[in-house]
Amino acid sequence: GAGVSQSPSNKVTEKGKDVELRCDPISGHTALYWYRQSLGQGLEFLIYFQGNSAPDKSGLPSDRFSAERTGGSVSTLTIQRTQQEDSAVYLCASSQLYTEAFFGQGTRLTVV
Amino acid sequence: ELKVEQNPLFLSMQEGKNYTIYCNYSTTSDRLYWYRQDPGKSLESLFVLLSNGAVKQEGRLMASLDTKARLSTLHITAAVHDLSATYFCAVEDAGTYKYIFGTGTRLKVLA
Repeated sequence: GAGVSQSPSNKVTEKGKDVELRCDPISGHTALYWYRQSLGQGLEFLIYFQGNSAPDKSGLPSDRFSAERTGGSVSTLTIQRTQQEDSAVYLCASSQLYTEAFFGQGTRLTVV
Repeated sequence: ELKVEQNPLFLSMQEGKNYTIYCNYSTTSDRLYWYRQDPGKSLESLFVLLSNGAVKQEGRLMASLDTKARLSTLHITAAVHDLSATYFCAVEDAGTYKYIFGTGTRLKVLA
């Protein structure tokens, strides 16, 4: 596609519910990244995919967070049993090796 | 572990003035990127710096990279209001290829 596409753009969920966030990277980009940005804060690294494998999951905050990527393309970030501290904007980015990462518009998650 | 620090965190400046934002990082890397983020928006790529001594310029912004000092600068010349945004540097970790972002510099240019 023309750019990185994320859905939904906004998600309001009740505490304790599970949510799935989707990222559709730029076609042909082998690397895919998930970051989290709390209001007025910087970017917190969550996970990185090279193809379908995730060599670095070190940023996932807890075992409630998981992510997968299929077909070297679409990725899903799943948060189970959401908590209020999970409220943030979740940003996805994709890149070729050795080039800049291009970001999607983000999913704003609000846990009430 | 790669750490990336930016300073200042906040910068309020008058139109027409010059200023520099600094980005320091802790381990060897030859690849550094600058991004701009407007409020409520995602990140937009500004500059890609891929070697020691690299310098890129676009309009009133100029970025440079000194890999020996592990330092990049983003210089603003004759600031205008439209440059108000948050600027992030990101360093590519040579071992893992992931991008580690600085804390961001929130720039406000006063008319």
